[in-house]
Amino acid sequence: GAVVSQHPSRVICKSGTSVKIECRSLDFQATTMFWYRQFPKQSLMLMATSNEGSKATYEQGVEKDKFLINHASLTLSTLTVTSAHPEDSSFYICSASTGRGIGETQYFGPGTRLLVL
Amino acid sequence: AQSVTQPDIHITVSEGASLELRCNYSYGATPYLFWYVQSPGQGLQLLLKYFSGDTLVQGIKGFEAEFKRSQSSFNLRKPSVHWSDAAEYFCAVGALGGGNKLTFGTGTQLKVEL
Repeated sequence: GAVVSQHPSRVICKSGTSVKIECRSLDFQATTMFWYRQFPKQSLMLMATSNEGSKATYEQGVEKDKFLINHASLTLSTLTVTSAHPEDSSFYICSASTGRGIGETQYFGPGTRLLVL
Repeated sequence: AQSVTQPDIHITVSEGASLELRCNYSYGATPYLFWYVQSPGQGLQLLLKYFSGDTLVQGIKGFEAEFKRSQSSFNLRKPSVHWSDAAEYFCAVGALGGGNKLTFGTGTQLKVEL
């Protein structure tokens, strides 16, 4: 149980285009979803937290107009990288949890590798 | 703000040998601590977590971790490593009032020699 999927698994796009990444909880309802960015050989950096039906909360330094997050249902959150540039190339990972309580386990998706040419 | 340090970037052990991965945290109150494993092409999988109570926590795949408040550590151990344990291991800390947000360490890459 507690499976999270991401689509696509990898995407290559031209600079200036927008890319949408989907994160789905397959067998549970995710009240909260998180979006992370992982650079090679580095840790996961939290980008934003999204709660179903409300606006996402972005971490300091993350441009909310560039990384649009939508959490329209209890099983789906999307991250749209708008006007992507080569520096946005990275590994994007989502996670989902069933609640907002302290210590709620986060279940992670397999990640999406984005390459912007 | 909380932080996590994993001092070892790479560790190589022989199959069957014991393993200890180090994790030190910085947080002003009682932390909530986690160990995750990341295998290529797969999402991070929770190995174990500590909230309170017994400071020795048992997890999946034969892993355990011990919370030592005096040393601000939460080291991960396994008595006998299997080749399939080769992966990247992340320690993370969650903060009270942090909305369930996690801060991750930089990870330790484990290589298992046959």
